[in-house]
Amino acid sequence: EIVMTQSPATLSVSPGERATLSCRASQSVSTNLAWYQQKPGQAPRLLIYGASTRATGITARFSGSGSGTDFTLTISSLQSEDSAVYYCQQYNSWPPYTFGQGTKLEIK
Amino acid sequence: EVQLVQSGTEVKKPGESLKISCKGSGYSFTTYWIGWVRQMPGKGLEWMGIIYPGDSDTRYSPSFQGQVTISADKSINTAYLQWSSLKASDTAMYYCARRMTTSEFFDYWGQGTLVTVSS
Repeated sequence: EIVMTQSPATLSVSPGERATLSCRASQSVSTNLAWYQQKPGQAPRLLIYGASTRATGITARFSGSGSGTDFTLTISSLQSEDSAVYYCQQYNSWPPYTFGQGTKLEIK
Repeated sequence: EVQLVQSGTEVKKPGESLKISCKGSGYSFTTYWIGWVRQMPGKGLEWMGIIYPGDSDTRYSPSFQGQVTISADKSINTAYLQWSSLKASDTAMYYCARRMTTSEFFDYWGQGTLVTVSS
């Protein structure tokens, strides 16, 4: 099973600044990586797939990069509505398609 | 508009059985996989298993194989997740989600079903 490790566990950033979230896979997942956003009391929402492709309706403030084992989600011009937990998920190697443990993003 | 609507909150006792549902609309239900994801209280997301309603082909994560059963009724565009004997450790939020046909990530999610198992 591929283990996905996200860092940091919690990130606190001021409005208008940039947030950088990391996700590392225990072995290569190519670019078969997705990012999801989960706000309190809500279901997860797809942000990024294929490591760098934004899902339909997702603002360009969200961008993804990386391949192999190291991936980054960058959120620019942070807004209060970006406060959430962000999860990465690999879908290269089954079973199962594993999620990271999440990064909680707080807006100061 | 693609929608996945899940059944409501459940409160059960240990040892009881349960079947929760996920009804799809706004797309061709039989041509997309539906997956189930567990989220225990205050914890992260766990991939449980997936079903292709078109032919009921089903795959399970090893962690959940034998613990739950995933099924679907394509005549009513509904997928199910069921337990034969619940445990307190099954207490969690359960999400269904649609998997893309051309890839393996989930593009639409249900609103979640909260299952509480307590004596």
